[in-house]
Amino acid sequence: SQELEQSPQSLIVQEGKNLTINCTSSKTLYGLYWYKQKYGEGLIFLMMLQKGGEEKSHEKITAKLDEKKQQSSLHITASQPSHAGIYLCGAARKYNTDKLIFGTGTRLQVFP
Amino acid sequence: NAGVTQTPKFQVLKTGQSMTLQCAQDMNHNSMYWYRQDPGMGLRLIYYSASEGTTDKGEVPNGYNVSRLNKREFSLRLESAAPSQTSVYFCASKRIEGPEQYFGPGTRLTVT
Repeated sequence: SQELEQSPQSLIVQEGKNLTINCTSSKTLYGLYWYKQKYGEGLIFLMMLQKGGEEKSHEKITAKLDEKKQQSSLHITASQPSHAGIYLCGAARKYNTDKLIFGTGTRLQVFP
Repeated sequence: NAGVTQTPKFQVLKTGQSMTLQCAQDMNHNSMYWYRQDPGMGLRLIYYSASEGTTDKGEVPNGYNVSRLNKREFSLRLESAAPSQTSVYFCASKRIEGPEQYFGPGTRLTVT
């Protein structure tokens, strides 16, 4: 089974709706990263969370880290077609390491 | 700045053939990475180079070799390609400070 489980695996929403993507780790987190991938392209960094309770925002995307639950959620407010793509969470398994484990991704489609 | 470039974009190989995937970055980054992305498996680290002259194995190094030719370039070699190596390969780089990895556009490899 995956060390990082993402849910849902895919999501189809109407433009303007809010949505949440979850990432749950089976092991201790030393940093949780969110990336976005447009179809057929490389990944683009969104944000990184390190401390329990930490919350960061990037435009209309907000991510939170629940350290006790070893879980992070990514929330998109008022979704737009430009938000469509694959969202991947990544985690560091050791302190001060650049080696990341990634989840399998959540595919988001936004229709007008 | 071109960022992270990868060549080739597409490649078809026959089982047993060898090839080298090229990656270069013009951002003066110290760390470079090779990942593979497969449906249902997410993104997995093959090899990692923290600096020129050093390389380290990731999650799935078997069947691959790497060379950190200089600070700019990090190549991935398949000595004897197998159908299980059919995948999309991504190169990434990172500077010492900051969490962001910068990804290339990927190489789509098919082994028949």
